[in-house]
Amino acid sequence: AQTVTQSQPEMSVQEAETVTLSCTYDTSESDYYLFWYKQPPSRQMILVIRQEAYKQQNATENRFSVNFQKAAKSFSLKISDSQLGDAAMYFCAYRPGQGGSEKLVFGKGTKLTVNP
Amino acid sequence: NAGVTQTPKFRILKIGQSMTLQCTQDMNHNYMYWYRQDPGMGLKLIYYSVGAGITDKGEVPNGYNVSRSTTEDFPLRLELAAPSQTSVYFCASSGSYNEQFFGPGTRLTVL
Repeated sequence: AQTVTQSQPEMSVQEAETVTLSCTYDTSESDYYLFWYKQPPSRQMILVIRQEAYKQQNATENRFSVNFQKAAKSFSLKISDSQLGDAAMYFCAYRPGQGGSEKLVFGKGTKLTVNP
Repeated sequence: NAGVTQTPKFRILKIGQSMTLQCTQDMNHNYMYWYRQDPGMGLKLIYYSVGAGITDKGEVPNGYNVSRSTTEDFPLRLELAAPSQTSVYFCASSGSYNEQFFGPGTRLTVL
């Protein structure tokens, strides 16, 4: 079974600085997708960024980028120019590329605090 | 376009009571999911559906039931509520090869 591990229960960053959240996963498949979701205090799950395993290029969405290391099964999220609104729980998630059900497997999350 | 809607937002149940959590999506997605999120944890899959009339168990299905009679609706039934079912419940939907869209969640407390 696939597993997702987030080794940092909590992280903090100063406003305008850069922070990196770690995620590792375990799978025997070669085709899959990886996601970072943000969950603010409102509880709404918001997709931050997505990476297809077959793509070598790291995904980027404005201030958010990933470092995808397929051989190491690592998928870290970098937040640049951190803003107060970035404070939230961040969840890394894995989804198999084939199989039809598209089930997500989540890590336990990292709580990010942004200090003014 | 409302996306994924869930009702109720909050509910308190007594041990042994039953209830149905409602979930509706208006994106014509085939795939729908129910997750639970316990304090300090990630989301765990309870049940999922790949289309109307088709459902299957996820990681933590015990104590729950689902049905999928239409593409839009995917209700989650709790029978004989127990304190261990105190959690936040999320419904999600997904089109083929797209990300999952989540509802706002239902906070359930069983006392």
